Amino acid sequence: DTAVSQTPKYLVTQMGNDKSIKCEQNLGHDTMYWYKQDSKKFLKIMFSYNNKELIINETVPNRFSPKSPDKAHLNLHINSLELGDSAVYFCASSQPGSRAKLFFGSGTQLSVL
Amino acid sequence: DQQVKQNSPSLSVQEGRISILNCDYTNSMFDYFLWYKKYPAEGPTFLISISSIKDKNEDGRFTVFLNKSAKHLSLHIVPSQPGDSAVYFCAASANSGNTGKLIFGQGTTLQVKP
Repeated sequence: DTAVSQTPKYLVTQMGNDKSIKCEQNLGHDTMYWYKQDSKKFLKIMFSYNNKELIINETVPNRFSPKSPDKAHLNLHINSLELGDSAVYFCASSQPGSRAKLFFGSGTQLSVL
Repeated sequence: DQQVKQNSPSLSVQEGRISILNCDYTNSMFDYFLWYKKYPAEGPTFLISISSIKDKNEDGRFTVFLNKSAKHLSLHIVPSQPGDSAVYFCAASANSGNTGKLIFGQGTTLQVKP
């Protein structure tokens, strides 16, 4: 009964490919996020959705397209993968009243070769 | 230009002693601060937070101190236990914590030796 689950855990792919990462939360939260942990270990927000509506879109290449079919799911599709996209991608969720208290998934390690 | 910095990449302490993890920030708009703990192959988990209207918040063995004038916060763990060995991330937000847009430091790896 994992609270925030994301798949796959590991993703190894070639440059130029298109890939997706899926995320689901069973906490009943209304807001979900994608964070990226780069090689320097900083976690940086990419996107945030509230009840399926995009509310935060940081300066992310438009090769990255999030999709939220419902408030329990937030997927991340990446087109034309580049070497620099290699990172760990974390999905997270939070609820009203304690927005900053994020519940994270276990991460997807993306390696672009 | 990192707005939240954890200048010590690692810290090693003996079991039972105090662990002190430090964090500095530059943005005066930050008014809510959090610490997250991360074990290998897991996502970060929320540990403790503090609003800028306070200078201390305590939860069991964990205490966070905030020095607004110095733009500095610290996490104290007393007594430290081997299970506390993890990476600790400091994070900051504006909007009094009413946003999930957090600015994270790069983490400090704590090792607690038995």
